Amino acid sequence: GENVEQHPSTLSVQEGDSAVIKCTYSDSASNYFPWYKQELGKRPQLIIDIRSNVGEKKDQRIAVTLNKTAKHFSLHITETQPEDSAVYFCAASKGNRDDKIIFGKGTRLHILP
Amino acid sequence: GAVVSQHPSWVICKSGTSVKIECRSLDFQATTMFWYRQFPKQSLMLMATSNEGSKATYEQGVEKDKFLINHASLTLSTLTVTSAHPEDSSFYICSASRGGGANYGYTFGSGTRLTVV
Repeated sequence: GENVEQHPSTLSVQEGDSAVIKCTYSDSASNYFPWYKQELGKRPQLIIDIRSNVGEKKDQRIAVTLNKTAKHFSLHITETQPEDSAVYFCAASKGNRDDKIIFGKGTRLHILP
Repeated sequence: GAVVSQHPSWVICKSGTSVKIECRSLDFQATTMFWYRQFPKQSLMLMATSNEGSKATYEQGVEKDKFLINHASLTLSTLTVTSAHPEDSSFYICSASRGGGANYGYTFGSGTRLTVV
């Protein structure tokens, strides 16, 4: 089955700097890669996603890149703000309605004042 | 659109009792829902895939007789933790797709924090 590795487990960046979180996946059939942000005690919120026919996607300060050959994808957050502090999860799925999402272990992001 | 409601949001139960958690898709039909468990400071671990009108598919290591899943309608899936023990204390969360999987993304319920005393 699919296995998603995520690094780093913890990341501290100065406010205003950029943060990068990296993930790898094992199943070459996976073609949908969402990123979720989870605040303490709350549900994961989808912040951006990318499909395998796209190499990069950007939404304001957030961007995701995908290298399908190498089976890795990354989340980039620029101009970080205090409200970006949370746990971020990458995930992979084959993308059909009934296909499960497998999550990475998460990255706890701390934005330092 | 694509709202998933989960109830209760938290529950405390005595060891040995059973607890039922409900997951409802409010504005769409979900033939498939997913149940996850999340321990403190850990990731979401998929427990099972719930299919409307058929048996759930459990992930390896998840006891199907302990975690009973029923998906009786296109908008409701339930997870029953039977004979709960303190080690079952966790955050349980469901998710569903509005349809077409990646075309619309997956929406999560608000989660249920279970504490077994």
